[in-house]
Amino acid sequence: DVKVTQSSRYLVKRTGEKVFLECVQDMDHENMFWYRQDPGLGLRLIYFSYDVKMKEKGDIPEGYSVSREKKERFSLILESASTNQTSMYLCASSLPDRGSYEQYFGPGTRLTVT
Amino acid sequence: AQKVTQAQTEISVVEKEDVTLDCVYETRDTTYYLFWYKQPPSGELVFLIRRNSFDEQNEISGRYSWNFQKSTSSFNFTITASQVVDSAVYFCALDATDKLIFGTGTRLQVFP
Repeated sequence: DVKVTQSSRYLVKRTGEKVFLECVQDMDHENMFWYRQDPGLGLRLIYFSYDVKMKEKGDIPEGYSVSREKKERFSLILESASTNQTSMYLCASSLPDRGSYEQYFGPGTRLTVT
Repeated sequence: AQKVTQAQTEISVVEKEDVTLDCVYETRDTTYYLFWYKQPPSGELVFLIRRNSFDEQNEISGRYSWNFQKSTSSFNFTITASQVVDSAVYFCALDATDKLIFGTGTRLQVFP
């Protein structure tokens, strides 16, 4: 069974703090993704990665960065958290060959920025 | 432009009713993939089905069935004899280039 884990289920941070969200998958998947989920907006792609040390911007990368030093780990970084980054963050992984394989999701991290 | 529309924001049914969740997509690509995911209250999205653009056969899996019609750009999902455990948010998604485009989701509530 594919397992995608995220470091925290709930996180509360202050405005201006640097925030790290960690995601680890145990199925040797090449592809990893970060989404944010907001009511009425569905899931929106922030960043994705198709290989170690490789990253590509998604639809809403502003205010975020990512790091992928190892194949199994994909980190999302909020350089200076703001209240409009309060959201549910979902990590996913998949096999390569974009589009033909389903993505496996982690349980999500609900981040509140105060 | 790629787009997925799930016009039904919320649906409420009583157990054992059949329910259909609508999904309409837009793409200019001839090769694409369509997905349905379920997000139960626990939060983790669960993959339900993948369909590629060349396969218009409908699919049935237990109480779940999917109707793919390219002529109307729709990929609808039907739950037969719904159960309380079907209560969740359901997302339709499209992959036409190199990433998934999700609809806004339909919240299904099944009451006993």
